[in-house]
Amino acid sequence: EPEVTQTPSHQVTQMGQEVILRCVPISNHLYFYWYRQILGQKVEFLVSFYNNEISEKSEIFDDQFSVERPDGSNFTLKIRSTKLEDSAMYFCASSADRGNTDTQYFGPGTRLTVL
Amino acid sequence: ILNVEQSPQSLHVQEGDSTNFTCSFPSSNFYALHWYRWETAKSPEALFVMTLNGDEKKKGRISATLNTKEGYSYLYIKGSQPEDSATYLCAFIGGSYIPTFGRGTSLIVHP
Repeated sequence: EPEVTQTPSHQVTQMGQEVILRCVPISNHLYFYWYRQILGQKVEFLVSFYNNEISEKSEIFDDQFSVERPDGSNFTLKIRSTKLEDSAMYFCASSADRGNTDTQYFGPGTRLTVL
Repeated sequence: ILNVEQSPQSLHVQEGDSTNFTCSFPSSNFYALHWYRWETAKSPEALFVMTLNGDEKKKGRISATLNTKEGYSYLYIKGSQPEDSATYLCAFIGGSYIPTFGRGTSLIVHP
């Protein structure tokens, strides 16, 4: 069964450094998402992406964050200058149709630790 | 800030018991409600996407109902098995099209 993959599984970085989290969505899916979960808190939506554009973004997704689909398979989340509070589990998801009313398939997550 | 609440926070049941939990969400500007099952060390797995008031969905022993007018959804598990042990998350989507998650209900099924 096709699945969403994410790399790396764990990333440790120093505060102020840039990180890129990578995702390979399911191949025929058109809608892509990033979520995060800070330890002990709720899962939070960051951004949705369709047709090479951001569709929706939350208040969390400020200028420090960006997303890109650099080729036909990868979908990346970049954090330009990491802060301690960016430490979280980051999940990528994809859906065939608009994910508000379609099933979203989640990847295994990347645990980001900012020191 | 949208208020999406799940209750109970955790639940311990015996194998074979039937159980249910609740997701409460704003009763206005409803667009969709998602239910996920999240096992430890795995990724969230979609269970149901519910869009219409009165929706009832079923997947094996798990079913869900939706009442958008009063702002709640119930998830039912019939004859719980140890493999049903997981956290069950709901996510409300309103007019902004941005999902807001609840904290989840942690279910532990004892053999």
